[in-house]
Amino acid sequence: NAGVTQTPKFRILKIGQSMTLQCAQDMNHNYMYWYRQDPGMGLKLIYYSVGAGITDKGEVPNGYNVSRSTTEDFPLRLELAAPSQTSVYFCASSPSVDGYTFGSGTRLTVV
Amino acid sequence: QKEVEQNSGPLSVPEGAIASLNCTYSDRGSQSFFWYRQYSGKSPELIMSIYSNGDKEDGRFTAQLNKASQYVSLLIRDSQPSDSATYLCAVNAASGGSYIPTFGRGTSLIVHP
Repeated sequence: NAGVTQTPKFRILKIGQSMTLQCAQDMNHNYMYWYRQDPGMGLKLIYYSVGAGITDKGEVPNGYNVSRSTTEDFPLRLELAAPSQTSVYFCASSPSVDGYTFGSGTRLTVV
Repeated sequence: QKEVEQNSGPLSVPEGAIASLNCTYSDRGSQSFFWYRQYSGKSPELIMSIYSNGDKEDGRFTAQLNKASQYVSLLIRDSQPSDSATYLCAVNAASGGSYIPTFGRGTSLIVHP
């Protein structure tokens, strides 16, 4: 059982470049989330989805976009990378309002 | 603004002692409460959830919830060096029909032999 799979694990982007962080879960969870974690700052919610075709902004959505065309996949898009987006990104899923299962994370550096 | 507050620590305890981690929250409408453990460089892992006032025990872990005082705590009995990690408190509150957790910044726990 793979759980929540995130790719890539590491990435270096140049300012202005774009990329998509992939997230897939095989637990048939309706709820999926994207968080970023900066050192000492805890987890900040970027976007979330309560089901296929439904997404909503979290606390820090600027500079990001998401889509949820299937229950399994929830990709996060960075259109114009900025140094402020250097962070560790976690995708998570849950069956309802219960606790999350997190992916292993993507460490992104923007230079 | 929903807030979840934790002492950043580090909290240092000797092996075999009880570690006590505390968390306070601002939203009285919060419904569910979670503790996650995060080892350095790894993703958070759910270790406890609690939904009603009182204590909930799972092995060496006990979660305590007091909604009137708006705090939730985690006790770790017989602490082991392998318990050294950052512990994140998360609180679910309603947001536009969904329940979205707000995370605290975490408390760093160091268990020394």
